[in-house]
Amino acid sequence: GAVVSQHPSWVICKSGTSVKIECRSLDFQATTMFWYRQFPKQSLMLMATSNEGSKATYEQGVEKDKFLINHASLTLSTLTVTSAHPEDSSFYICSASEPRAPNQPQHFGDGTRLSIL
Amino acid sequence: AQSVAQPEDQVNVAEGNPLTVKCTYSVSGNPYLFWYVQYPNRGLQFLLKYITGDNLVKGSYGFEAEFNKSQTSFHLKKPSALVSDSALYFCAVRGGSGGYNKLIFGAGTRLAVHP
Repeated sequence: GAVVSQHPSWVICKSGTSVKIECRSLDFQATTMFWYRQFPKQSLMLMATSNEGSKATYEQGVEKDKFLINHASLTLSTLTVTSAHPEDSSFYICSASEPRAPNQPQHFGDGTRLSIL
Repeated sequence: AQSVAQPEDQVNVAEGNPLTVKCTYSVSGNPYLFWYVQYPNRGLQFLLKYITGDNLVKGSYGFEAEFNKSQTSFHLKKPSALVSDSALYFCAVRGGSGGYNKLIFGAGTRLAVHP
């Protein structure tokens, strides 16, 4: 089945550091990828929709300059948390959809746990 | 606005007993409905989906779900629970005014299966 790879799985870094998270679709071309944030014991919150070759669409309340998204190819989207602070600590998950297949499930990466000291 | 409700934060069931995890939705038009499972520190794994056709959908690991249009429900079921089924379960929907691109998730239900 379709596989989405997310890297790294765990990051611990100092406050003020920028952190890049990669999301790759391994066996299909993903024109659209999604970035979610999940707080402990809560549901997934959609942060943004990443579109290959164009700007990401951010959800209301998500800072574009804080969470930079780049979708430079059909198999790779990156999320960069710029100048991270402790309140940015969270579990970040990406997912990808196969093109023109809304009846197919989104495929999720295994998530990245970000801890800012 | 479209939404998904999972009314139970946690469901407890004894191993071998049947389990039900509830989900209701509010979406105009014909929704696409999904169930996902999440294990600790992992992403979401797809269990099953309803798009059209037979209201009873069978999925992975012995799970099934029944689509009920009149009650706008899509409850997840399994005839005999296993301890290894203990995890966080999410119901999700696509469609309606939000379009078929985004997934809208419920709050999640934690399933605890006791030996």
